[in-house]
Amino acid sequence: NAGVTQTPKFRVLKTGQSMTLLCAQDMNHEYMYWYRQDPGMGLRLIHYSVGEGTTAKGEVPDGYNVSRLKKQNFLLGLESAAPSQTSVYFCASRPIFQTTNEKLFFGSGTQLSVL
Amino acid sequence: AQKVTQAQTEISVVEKEDVTLDCVYETRDTTYYLFWYKQPPSGELVFLIRRNSFDEQNEISGRYSWNFQKSTSSFNFTITASQVVDSAVYFCALTLNTGGFKTIFGAGTRLFVKA
Repeated sequence: NAGVTQTPKFRVLKTGQSMTLLCAQDMNHEYMYWYRQDPGMGLRLIHYSVGEGTTAKGEVPDGYNVSRLKKQNFLLGLESAAPSQTSVYFCASRPIFQTTNEKLFFGSGTQLSVL
Repeated sequence: AQKVTQAQTEISVVEKEDVTLDCVYETRDTTYYLFWYKQPPSGELVFLIRRNSFDEQNEISGRYSWNFQKSTSSFNFTITASQVVDSAVYFCALTLNTGGFKTIFGAGTRLFVKA
């Protein structure tokens, strides 16, 4: 049981390049989230999805797009990368509301540098 | 608006000292969950504890204890007899029971435990 898997783990981009980060979970979770972590700012929600085919904006969505074509995958896209998007990106998932197992399941993170 | 405040940016202690990490949250929702996550130098996010808004009972797990007080909107975390392995960034987080069960994180407290 792999849990939440993020690919790639590291990436360096030049300004203006595009890329897609993949998040895959094998726990049949309904909800999936993309966060970015910056020093002194904790984790901030970029986009999230409450089910296959649905997406919604979080706290810092500008410059990112997402898709959830399959329940197990949640893709985060950067169409034209900017240095301000240099960050560590975490994907997370969770099941439908459960009183006894309420928590997020995190991937191991992707370190992205935009030069 | 929902918010989580961790006023302590960094704390440095000597091994075997006790240390308390503060967390203050804001929400108008009556049903919510509070969490603490640990991020060791390796970077992954480790779930430590969950408390729901209806359960103000304090909890102790080994050297860790948590004090939840709704009257002051606080959910503080104490490590007793700290060890070098406790060195990490600790995040307090709030999950709402509505709108996609989004989780809001505090900025984190970096704890240094010196031998």
